[in-house]
Amino acid sequence: QQQVKQSPQSLIVQKGGISIINCAYENTAFDYFPWYQQFPGKGPALLIAIRPDVSEKKEGRFTISFNKSAKQFSLHIMDSQPGDSATYFCAAPGGTGANNLFFGTGTRLTVIP
Amino acid sequence: NAGVTQTPKFQVLKTGQSMTLQCAQDMNHNSMYWYRQDPGMGLRLIYYSASEGTTDKGEVPNGYNVSRLNKREFSLRLESAAPSQTSVYFCASKFRGRLAGGKTANEQFFGPGTRLTVL
Repeated sequence: QQQVKQSPQSLIVQKGGISIINCAYENTAFDYFPWYQQFPGKGPALLIAIRPDVSEKKEGRFTISFNKSAKQFSLHIMDSQPGDSATYFCAAPGGTGANNLFFGTGTRLTVIP
Repeated sequence: NAGVTQTPKFQVLKTGQSMTLQCAQDMNHNSMYWYRQDPGMGLRLIYYSASEGTTDKGEVPNGYNVSRLNKREFSLRLESAAPSQTSVYFCASKFRGRLAGGKTANEQFFGPGTRLTVL
C-alpha cells in the first residue's frame, strides 16, 4: 500500500509569485511520482512526473523537487498565472506491481490577478 | 481519438436504487480504474482491472461491483445506492508495459467524470 500526505489544502498566490505544494509518501519501493492538475468540471490530467534517480525535473514554469531520504517531493510553479488556478494532486505508486496510484488529498490553488 | 469517455455525466438516484456507470477507452490500454472524488479526500480507488479478464478491489470497494466487459470497457455498478455514495466518479486507463525506449508506462488518463447524487 501507499500513504500520501499533501499540503497545504488551499493556496492563494499573487500573479507572478511562486506556488509551492508539498507531498510526503511512505513506501519507497517505487520509482514514479507524478503531479496531476484538475480544472473545475474536468478529470485530472498529468502535469509533470519525476523518477527518483534525479532530484529535480523542470518543464517550463513547473518544477518537481525530489528528496528521497526525506520521502518528500514538491511542486513549484514559477511566475504563477491566473490560468494555473486549479486543484493539484500528488500521487505515488503502489499495489500489485505498482500498477496503481495513491493520490494526495489535493491543493486548491488560486492565483489572484 | 476520444480518449476515456464516461456516461452519464450527471445522475440523481433515490436511496436503494441501482445504476451502472459506463466507461470506455480507445487507446488500447490494458489497465482501467474507477475512482471516487470527495471534498478533502482526494481521489480514492474503488476497483481496478489490471488487464482484460481481471478485476480487484481498491481502497473503498464496499457497495460497488465492476465488470471488465472487454479491453475497451469497464463498468461500475451500484446495486443499492446510499447517500454516502454521493460523489464524483472518475474512470481512468493506463498502458501496462514498456514504452519505446524501455521506460515503464505510468501515466493514467482520466475521463471527464460522472457527478452522482443519492437522495
